[in-house]
Amino acid sequence: DAGVIQSPRHEVTEMGQEVTLRCKPISGHNSLFWYRQTMMRGLELLIYFNNNVPIDDSGMPEDRFSAKMPNASFSTLKIQPSEPRDSAVYFCASTPGLGTKNIQYFGAGTRLSVL
Amino acid sequence: QKEVEQNSGPLSVPEGAIASLNCTYSDRGSQSFFWYRQYSGKSPELIMFIYSNGDKEDGRFTAQLNKASQYVSLLIRDSQPSDSATYLCAVNRGASGSARQLTFGSGTQLTVLP
Repeated sequence: DAGVIQSPRHEVTEMGQEVTLRCKPISGHNSLFWYRQTMMRGLELLIYFNNNVPIDDSGMPEDRFSAKMPNASFSTLKIQPSEPRDSAVYFCASTPGLGTKNIQYFGAGTRLSVL
Repeated sequence: QKEVEQNSGPLSVPEGAIASLNCTYSDRGSQSFFWYRQYSGKSPELIMFIYSNGDKEDGRFTAQLNKASQYVSLLIRDSQPSDSATYLCAVNRGASGSARQLTFGSGTQLTVLP
């Protein structure tokens, strides 16, 4: 299996622009997670889906952030408008389900720089 | 109190020594515990998981769990320079609904000196 696939790997944009990050989970995995990692705040969960349904979006920082999972093999995280403080590495992870023993597998991440 | 706490380090050990990484968690109902390794500029990768009290060994790695003390540790025997990375402790609280996901500690940076 190719693992969790994220695109783009790097994104540089200007403040105010819309940014869309993409994720393809491991085939057969029913749960998908979006994280943000910064030096100051570490790895933070933004939102997660189970069977394409958002379960908990309490980690989404504000209304500028939105996430969708239109089907089992694709999810997007959108920031509109972007701000310099959104600069971070965004990871997507997937797991077979929400069982407590399920292991989360991470994608390579998208490094976002907002100028 | 943070839900998952780790010493940020940096922790330096000489090559061949035992590296000991510690993690405490606040929710006594937590059920599953994971150690991820993250190299600089890379994504977290799972190296160990443990669900029951006691020790679990996998090669040079040993995870130790003490639920009464709310403490989980990772021992790396015969440390190698390639073990130099940040180690993230993650805890699954196991409750229903929104709590059914991982909470990560801030990570401990380990450097193994040749």
